[in-house]
Amino acid sequence: AQSVSQHNHHVILSEAASLELGCNYSYGGTVNLFWYVQYPGQHLQLLLKYFSGDPLVKGIKGFEAEFIKSKFSFNLRKPSVQWSDTAEYFCAVSTYSGGYQKVTFGTGTKLQVIP
Amino acid sequence: DVKVTQSSRYLVKRTGEKVFLECVQDMDHENMFWYRQDPGLGLRLIYFSYDVKMKEKGDIPEGYSVSREKKERFSLILESASTNQTSMYLCASRGQGSGANVLTFGAGSRLTVL
Repeated sequence: AQSVSQHNHHVILSEAASLELGCNYSYGGTVNLFWYVQYPGQHLQLLLKYFSGDPLVKGIKGFEAEFIKSKFSFNLRKPSVQWSDTAEYFCAVSTYSGGYQKVTFGTGTKLQVIP
Repeated sequence: DVKVTQSSRYLVKRTGEKVFLECVQDMDHENMFWYRQDPGLGLRLIYFSYDVKMKEKGDIPEGYSVSREKKERFSLILESASTNQTSMYLCASRGQGSGANVLTFGAGSRLTVL
């Protein structure tokens, strides 16, 4: 069964600092990869996704992520965070298994940006 | 935009009560999901449905059941609520074709079982 690991549970950064959140998955086959974000009091929403092609994908609000197949990783990055990026971030992996697409989420990383 | 509506934002129930959590989506999506979200555990899949009257167990189905009588509606049922089912419950839907494989979530239903 696939699994997703997010190594950072709680990250605190000052505004303008650079961000990198780690995500590793375990699955040997073809994967679709996602980062979802949950701002305080809001729905979970898609930040960015990777299906195929260029392994460097760009999402909303200046976020990007790089798929490194050899490392089974899909780390999220942002060069300069803002206070409004304070949220919880979830990495997710979708795989085709047993006739359907199954989506597995990581445990989440809470990001706190200090003004 | 797809809208996923969960009928109750906050519920307080007593141990042993039967609980219904309702979810409706308005974009004719085939696939619907129920997750629970707990601090430090992320989202865990309870049940999902790929079509009307069809259901599949997720990773933590014990203590739960589901119903999908109409395409737009997916209900999560706790037959006899227990305190360890206190959690945030998230419903999501997903379509086919363009934009497929992206989940759209509802606002969540926070259930407290006393």
